[in-house]
Amino acid sequence: IVLTQSPATLSLSPGERATLSCGASQSVTSSYLAWYQQKPGLAPRLLIYDASSRATGIPDRFSGSGSGTDFTLTISRLEPEDFAVYYCQQYGSSPITFGQGTRLEIK
Amino acid sequence: EVQLVESGGGLVQPGESLRLSCEASGFTFSNYAMHWVRQAPEKGLEYISVISNDGGRTYHADSVKGRFIISRDNSKNTLYLHMGSLRPEDTAVYYCVRDRRVVPGAILSWGFDPWGQGTLVTVSS
Repeated sequence: IVLTQSPATLSLSPGERATLSCGASQSVTSSYLAWYQQKPGLAPRLLIYDASSRATGIPDRFSGSGSGTDFTLTISRLEPEDFAVYYCQQYGSSPITFGQGTRLEIK
Repeated sequence: EVQLVESGGGLVQPGESLRLSCEASGFTFSNYAMHWVRQAPEKGLEYISVISNDGGRTYHADSVKGRFIISRDNSKNTLYLHMGSLRPEDTAVYYCVRDRRVVPGAILSWGFDPWGQGTLVTVSS
């Protein structure tokens, strides 16, 4: 399954709402889709699994939604520490695949 | 605290071999499937391999099949990636990752959490 993330780069200001999209080339089994955040020089961190469940310790300003082939990560009110690269991943079908990433930058 | 610490990366020439290790702590290692994911410089994430909790089942991506082998030693809480016939395109940071859920014998995934800090492998002459 090919995952296509849009936009490639998103420029926003702290306090604004961010909407990141992930489209799949075919339906993602059981909404087995995750979102990860990666900051420069660090490993990725799990934010959302099963399309809409927040991982342990993730603030509630992060939310995931979607099913089938269209998924969204929403950050309701951006904090300075949220500016990073975000990846979606499907784990319902083999091979596991990642999207190419969306860079969220400060405007 | 759950920790994954990779080691073994470095600079090697094309065609050579390398073994990466990932030492786990803070959880019952033998309960979880484990994965390797790599990231080439300034690129995205690429899924490489998985091994079931008991080591009985494995999967390797087509890009490394026949060259890389994943293994584990549950008595040492350690995951390995044996890398052979290395190519310049294998240059990347290699991450060791635990699966999110305990599912005995499975090589399916329910998300990756947590990740190790990564180890850099550079293949160049």
